[in-house]
Amino acid sequence: KAGVTQTPRYLIKTRGQQVTLSCSPISGHRSVSWYQQTPGQGLQFLFEYFSETQRNKGNFPGRFSGRQFSNSRSEMNVSTLELGDSALYLCASSWEETQYFGPGTRLLVL
Amino acid sequence: LAKTTQPISMDSYEGQEVNITCSHNNIATNDYITWYQQFPSQGPRFIIQGYKTKVTNEVASLFIPADRKSSTLSLPRVSLSDTAVYYCLVGDMKPGRRALTFGSGTRLQVQP
Repeated sequence: KAGVTQTPRYLIKTRGQQVTLSCSPISGHRSVSWYQQTPGQGLQFLFEYFSETQRNKGNFPGRFSGRQFSNSRSEMNVSTLELGDSALYLCASSWEETQYFGPGTRLLVL
Repeated sequence: LAKTTQPISMDSYEGQEVNITCSHNNIATNDYITWYQQFPSQGPRFIIQGYKTKVTNEVASLFIPADRKSSTLSLPRVSLSDTAVYYCLVGDMKPGRRALTFGSGTRLQVQP
């Protein structure tokens, strides 16, 4: 089976812009979670989607949002980008109790 | 959410067995213990997962005592390519409950 795929892999934006990241889970996986990883804060949970519904949300401002489609693919959106949003954004899909991560999208905000 | 405590770093040599212990004193009944390996600028890679006792797969073993307040990841005969950060993750893995909290991880350095 193909693993979790994320697009794009790298992205450069400027402050104030918005960005949309995409994640395709492993075939058959219905749960998708998003994480932000920075050197200072480590890996932090953003939200989880299951069957097109957001089931859990981490402690991030409303500028961070997401959605999941009927084919389980998920998108994450960050509006009004700030310098501190520069990070590696990771998507993970889950089957039962096991979560598998994608390669991540490296976002740089200038 | 169960908080985890791991050593910040460990050093080893090629061919040695490495054991990384994670403490999780307030683990809940529904929590699983999962270990991930991460290389710089890559997503964490699943290594092994367990609930209790011992689990073994082709790359590692996971030892969990009866009280489940700690766990030990065992990597047999490490190589240079095992140099990475290892995360111990404890949490409820049911859909809708995966607000998983990663700790700081253990940075393993394998030398020739």
